[in-house]
Amino acid sequence: KQEVTQIPAALSVPEGENLVLNCSFTDSAIYNLQWFRQDPGKGLTSLLLIQSSQREQTSGRLNASLDKSSGRSTLYIAASQPGDSATYLCAADSGAGSYQLTFGKGTKLSVIP
Amino acid sequence: GAGVSQTPSNKVTEKGKYVELRCDPISGHTALYWYRQSLGQGPEFLIYFQGTGAADDSGLPNDRFFAVRPEGSVSTLKIQRTERGDSAVYLCASSPGQPTDTQYFGPGTRLTVL
Repeated sequence: KQEVTQIPAALSVPEGENLVLNCSFTDSAIYNLQWFRQDPGKGLTSLLLIQSSQREQTSGRLNASLDKSSGRSTLYIAASQPGDSATYLCAADSGAGSYQLTFGKGTKLSVIP
Repeated sequence: GAGVSQTPSNKVTEKGKYVELRCDPISGHTALYWYRQSLGQGPEFLIYFQGTGAADDSGLPNDRFFAVRPEGSVSTLKIQRTERGDSAVYLCASSPGQPTDTQYFGPGTRLTVL
């Protein structure tokens, strides 16, 4: 059974700082790893999807990396802004025909102006 | 284009009552997923449809929970004899249908069982 862990649970940084969010998963036989953003009381917004054959994906100030063999992914946010404040969730599937996503508990990010 | 929509956005019910939650996926998406999110937790998988059929219902917690997708588009999650522990946000997602596809989530239905 896939298990996903995210560290840290919460992070507070001053505006402009670069930061890294960490995600680990137990079953490396994945199709994808996805990073989502969730604002309070809202649904999930997909940020980046990394397929198992890829090592990283970039979108604007976001860069996600994947090391499947070690069961780790990181989300790098450059030049953080107050609008980046949200909870960031990492999710992995279990491969082998299972399309369901297993989520971590998330990292709550606060960017202080 | 239109994203995933869910109705109602909020539902308050009494213990023991029956509720239905509706999900309208993105047009053309063959895969549809239901997840449940409790406060402070990540979403937990409930059930996955490919077309009209439930391809994986291993996340349904017990037989009080049931979901249908009769025409391969709109889906309804049905909960019988609701319990206070069923209170959560119920999220629906859809994707084009391949395992490498991004899942797109709706805004969720917040269910409160009194």
